[in-house]
Amino acid sequence: AQSVTQLDSQVPVFEEAPVELRCNYSSSVSVYLFWYVQYPNQGLQLLLKYLSGSTLVESINGFEAEFNKSQTSFHLRKPSVHISDTAEYFCAVSEADSWGKFQFGAGTQVVVTP
Amino acid sequence: DVKVTQSSRYLVKRTGEKVFLECVQDMDHENMFWYRQDPGLGLRLIYFSYDVKMKEKGDIPEGYSVSREKKERFSLILESASTNQTSMYLCASSPLANMGTSYEQYFGPGTRLTVT
Repeated sequence: AQSVTQLDSQVPVFEEAPVELRCNYSSSVSVYLFWYVQYPNQGLQLLLKYLSGSTLVESINGFEAEFNKSQTSFHLRKPSVHISDTAEYFCAVSEADSWGKFQFGAGTQVVVTP
Repeated sequence: DVKVTQSSRYLVKRTGEKVFLECVQDMDHENMFWYRQDPGLGLRLIYFSYDVKMKEKGDIPEGYSVSREKKERFSLILESASTNQTSMYLCASSPLANMGTSYEQYFGPGTRLTVT
């Protein structure tokens, strides 16, 4: 069975500083990888996803993530954060034979301060 | 845009009550999901449905049941609510993923249920 580990439960960061959120997974089959963001009192929104092809994927608001198969990781990065990036971020993994079911990590709360 | 709606944003129920949480999606998705979200635990899958009248248990189905009579609607039922079911409940939908594919899930805004 797969598992997803987000290594940091909370990440404080200053505005305009870089941030990295770590995500590792365990699985014996091919996987698809997702990052979601949840702003306060809202549902989850897709940030970016890796399905196939280039291992580096980008979002429209400056986030990027790289799929590293050998290290079973899918870390999320942003070179310069804004106050509006304050939110909770979830890593999710879907195995190739799971018919679309996801396993989520516990989440990382990012708090951006001026 | 895909829209997933949930019947209530906030709900307060008493222990022992039967509780219905409703979810509707407007994109003709085959898959629908119910999760509960608790601090430090992320999202945990309660039940999953891949077609009308079809359901599959998730990781934490105990104390819950579901109903899917129409493709667009997926209901979560707490037969006898307990205080340990106080949580945020999130519904999601996605197209059916065949072997070797996957799709993003689209989420509703959530229902914060308090059982007293």
